[in-house]
Amino acid sequence: DTGVSQNPRHKITKRGQNVTFRCDPISEHNRLYWYRQTLGQGPEFLTYFQNEAQLEKSRLLSDRFSAERPKGSFSTLEIQRTEQGDSAMYLCASSPIRTITDTQYFGPGTRLTVL
Amino acid sequence: DAKTTQPPSMDCAEGRAANLPCNHSTISGNEYVYWYRQIHSQGPQYIIHGLKNNETNEMASLIITEDRKSSTLILPHATLRDTAVYYCIVRVGTNAGKSTFGDGTTLTVKP
Repeated sequence: DTGVSQNPRHKITKRGQNVTFRCDPISEHNRLYWYRQTLGQGPEFLTYFQNEAQLEKSRLLSDRFSAERPKGSFSTLEIQRTEQGDSAMYLCASSPIRTITDTQYFGPGTRLTVL
Repeated sequence: DAKTTQPPSMDCAEGRAANLPCNHSTISGNEYVYWYRQIHSQGPQYIIHGLKNNETNEMASLIITEDRKSSTLILPHATLRDTAVYYCIVRVGTNAGKSTFGDGTTLTVKP
């Protein structure tokens, strides 16, 4: 049973550097979501894709953030010119398109620390 | 999506049932109640969801009141490994897009 996978699991970077995270969803899940979680808070929605199309973006997703899902399979989230405030856990989730419910399943997350 | 209200923390003795409440008084007729939990430093884990009938799976039971304004997640025999933050979310069934998480309930199971 292959769940959602995320790489890397941990990333430490210096302020001003660019970072890229990858998410591999559960096979045949059409929808892929990105969330961010800071310490002590629940996950906050960033963006989601249905196949290749990016259907919604949160106001949290500043112009330094970009997400892609070029072939409708894996996705990448890039943060340019990182700031200390970007330090957080970045979570990916996927869901199938079903007629009744499309439950989201989460990956283990990528923890970003910006020094 | 409707907002939910959960107590910030609860304790439970190991082996006893843990009953976690959630209020969702503004839930719409097409919104489901979902429960997730998050063990420290891991991604949220799906537990169970329901619309209006009570639901049970291998992890937990979900009791939804008749007016659907509140629900209770029941872990029948809590173990130390059930210590986690539990999130109650309401969300339409399909084509829902994002989930809106609150701060959840921190459940501590004590020996």
